[in-house]
Amino acid sequence: ELKVEQNPLFLSMQEGKNYTIYCNYSTTSDRLYWYRQDPGKSLESLFVLLSNGAVKQEGRLMASLDTKARLSTLHITAAVHDLSATYFCAVDVYSGGGADGLTFGKGTHLIIQP
Amino acid sequence: DTAVSQTPKYLVTQMGNDKSIKCEQNLGHDTMYWYKQDSKKFLKIMFSYNNKELIINETVPNRFSPKSPDKAHLNLHINSLELGDSAVYFCASSPRRGEQFFGPGTRLTVL
Repeated sequence: ELKVEQNPLFLSMQEGKNYTIYCNYSTTSDRLYWYRQDPGKSLESLFVLLSNGAVKQEGRLMASLDTKARLSTLHITAAVHDLSATYFCAVDVYSGGGADGLTFGKGTHLIIQP
Repeated sequence: DTAVSQTPKYLVTQMGNDKSIKCEQNLGHDTMYWYKQDSKKFLKIMFSYNNKELIINETVPNRFSPKSPDKAHLNLHINSLELGDSAVYFCASSPRRGEQFFGPGTRLTVL
C-alpha cells in the first residue's frame, strides 16, 4: 500500500523566514503534486513534478522532486502572511489498468505570523 | 466559467436518509474522481471513472454508489446515511494520468 508522509504536520513561522516542508512516499512514482487548501475552500494545484530532479518555482514557493530518494520538498522563501494555508503533497501511482486516484499526505498546516 | 462544479455545496440530513451529490466538469477530461476529506482534513480517494467505467473502488461501503451518465458528469449517491459519513466530498477531473482539478466540495452533515 502506498504511503505518503509529510512533515511537519503543523508549522508556525514568522514573516520573512525560510522553511521547507518534506514529503516522503513509499512506492516508485514519477508524478508528484503539491496542492494548497485555504480554510473551507477547495484544493488549488500549485506544482506538478513529473520527473526526477524536477524543480519548479512560483513566487516564494519552490518544489523539487527526487524520485530515487522518494522525496519531494516545498521550500518557502521569505514567508508572507498570505501563504498561510494547508499544503498537501500527493502521489499518483499508475497501475496500468487505467486511472488511479491520488494518495495524499496528511497535510501541513502552515501559519505565518507577522 | 467553472471548470469542476458540484451541487449542493452544503447538505444537512438525518441518519438513514438517501442523498445524492452531483458533479460536472467542462474541461473535456477523460477521468473523474470522488474524494472524501474527514474532520482531520485527511483526503482519501473513493472512486474514479474513466470513460464511464469504474476503474478503482477503494474500501468504500457499498452504500456509496457512483453514477456517470456521460463523460462530463459523475454523481455520488449515498444510501442509509450514517453519522460517520459526515465529511467534505470533493469531485475532481483530469486527463488520463494528468493533473487533477478539484471542485468546490460538498459539506455533508449527518444528524
